[in-house]
Amino acid sequence: EPEVTQTPSHQVTQMGQEVILRCVPISNHLYFYWYRQILGQKVEFLVSFYNNEISEKSEIFDDQFSVERPDGSNFTLKIRSTKLEDSAMYFCASSELLGKGYEQYFGPGTRLTVT
Amino acid sequence: KQEVTQIPAALSVPEGENLVLNCSFTDSAIYNLQWFRQDPGKGLTSLLLIQSSQREQTSGRLNASLDKSSGRSTLYIAASQPGDSATYLCAVMYNQGGKLIFGQGTELSVKP
Repeated sequence: EPEVTQTPSHQVTQMGQEVILRCVPISNHLYFYWYRQILGQKVEFLVSFYNNEISEKSEIFDDQFSVERPDGSNFTLKIRSTKLEDSAMYFCASSELLGKGYEQYFGPGTRLTVT
Repeated sequence: KQEVTQIPAALSVPEGENLVLNCSFTDSAIYNLQWFRQDPGKGLTSLLLIQSSQREQTSGRLNASLDKSSGRSTLYIAASQPGDSATYLCAVMYNQGGKLIFGQGTELSVKP
């Protein structure tokens, strides 16, 4: 069964460094999302992407964050200058309409640790 | 403000029991509602999706119901097993293709 994949599974970085989190959504999906989950807290929405542009972003998704779909298969989240409070599990998700009612499928996550 | 709440936060039951997890949402104008399972340190696995026009969905031992007017959904798990131990998350979508708003989850422990 098709699944969303994410790399790396764990990323450790120093404060102020740039990180890129990578996702490969399910191939026929058209809607793409990033969420994060700080340890012990709710899953929070960051950004959604459709038709090669951001369709919605949360207050968390400030100028330090950006997303790209560089080659039609990958979907990346970049954090330009990481802060300690960016430490969290980052989940990519994708969905389609046809017959699935926008059901979102999540990847296994990337655990980001900022030291 | 659109919020999702899940009760209880944690639940421990003996194997074989039937159980109900609750989810409530403040704005009843939802597009759909999804139930997920999350194992410790892992991703989210979609269990069931209910469209706003539907009253319930079933998959195996799981049954999810939706009462939009009262802003509630329940996830019923029949004949619970130790392998059902996980955190169960409820999430609502208000716009088609839009973001999911999550509850804080119910941590379920099924004892052998």
